[in-house]
Amino acid sequence: DIVMTQSPDSLAVSLGERATINCKSSQSVLNTSTNKNCLVWYQQKPGQPPKLLIYWASTRESGVPDRFSGSGSGTDFTLTISSLQAEDVAVYYCQQYYSAPLTFGQGTKVEIK
Amino acid sequence: EVQLVESGGGLVQPGGSLRLSCAASGFTISSYWMHWVRQAPGKGLVWVSRINGDGSTTNYADSVKGRFTISRDNAKNTLYLQMNSLRAEDTALYYCANYGLGVPLWGQGTLVTVSS
Repeated sequence: DIVMTQSPDSLAVSLGERATINCKSSQSVLNTSTNKNCLVWYQQKPGQPPKLLIYWASTRESGVPDRFSGSGSGTDFTLTISSLQAEDVAVYYCQQYYSAPLTFGQGTKVEIK
Repeated sequence: EVQLVESGGGLVQPGGSLRLSCAASGFTISSYWMHWVRQAPGKGLVWVSRINGDGSTTNYADSVKGRFTISRDNAKNTLYLQMNSLRAEDTALYYCANYGLGVPLWGQGTLVTVSS
């Protein structure tokens, strides 16, 4: 199984400041036939289902604010919130869909400092 | 509009059974692997099971192997999860998901509560 490890487990960022979440996979999730990384980022607020933010590691889902961006390839990935807003308080998960079983990071809780 | 809608959750006693459904619209599930993912209260996301397009191949998490059965009815464009011998630790929101459309697609989830 591919193990997904996020860091940090939680972070507190001032409004308007940058938030960075890292995600590392135990093996590459790059699909070499498509040259796409099978990595998504979800945002989850209390009482709500996960919301898709980023897929293929760096493609922003339609309607997601451009302050959210994803980067990385192979085994190391990053979700960046360029200017944290109050509505961004949530838990963020990375997940690989390169191979079964699909596996998730443990989640990173983002709060306002 | 492509979407997945889960149903069938509810309260069940330990040892009981439940069948979840996931109705797809806007696309044909027969062309894709389909998945179930769950989230226990206050916990993270965990993959449960998957099935290929014609139903000939299935995989399960160790925690549900032998108790849960994934299936599909392509004529009804619907995915199922038969859950038997339910335990308290199966209490969770259950989501169906598709990753083959290009953009990952999840439903809103259905809540399963196992309690006496």
